[in-house]
Amino acid sequence: AQSVTQLDSHVSVSEGTPVLLRCNYSSSYSPSLFWYVQHPNKGLQLLLKYTSAATLVKGINGFEAEFKKSETSFHLTKPSAHMSDAAEYFCVVKGGYQKVTFGTGTKLQVIP
Amino acid sequence: KAGVTQTPRYLIKTRGQQVTLSCSPISGHRSVSWYQQTPGQGLQFLFEYFSETQRNKGNFPGRFSGRQFSNSRSEMNVSTLELGDSALYLCASSLDRPSSLATTGELFFGEGSRLTVL
Repeated sequence: AQSVTQLDSHVSVSEGTPVLLRCNYSSSYSPSLFWYVQHPNKGLQLLLKYTSAATLVKGINGFEAEFKKSETSFHLTKPSAHMSDAAEYFCVVKGGYQKVTFGTGTKLQVIP
Repeated sequence: KAGVTQTPRYLIKTRGQQVTLSCSPISGHRSVSWYQQTPGQGLQFLFEYFSETQRNKGNFPGRFSGRQFSNSRSEMNVSTLELGDSALYLCASSLDRPSSLATTGELFFGEGSRLTVL
């Protein structure tokens, strides 16, 4: 079975402070893991992906994520939040035979 | 390189009608998948096509159907619309072949078709 859990449905941070969006997964295979961002009424845009290479993955717009197999986690971080980061973020796991499972999403609010 | 194009972007239908949504994948991508996004259920997988064949199907009633053409463009159809079908329908394309165990592929999403059923 394959699943992904985003531990927070809403996260609120002040502009300029760090961002942490949490994601835990389970998969019978060695999965690929992705973070996508969705701005209102838009499609999903890939932020970064892990595909069994380096465990620390750098993405666009200053985001990065660390794959921790022992903790089955793939948390998304950013050192300093910007107003434009306000959006919904989805953690996605892709296991064997291309089965794709989406997390329920985390809405990030950035307070000026 | 053009991205994934979905048409129409917005549409309004009434209960009992049917609707067809279109998706043009990125050039060279042969895999197209469809998702329904609602505030209550989040993102749910509808179906996936590769080389004109449906490879995977989500847990949706038979009113939801789709197809893929030889140029990889895909359409999905919803018949006998219900109020609960109101949603953002997202299409994604990928290079990956569904039967491959390679897991490096990412999904490229269109901006979606916003369906409102009155």
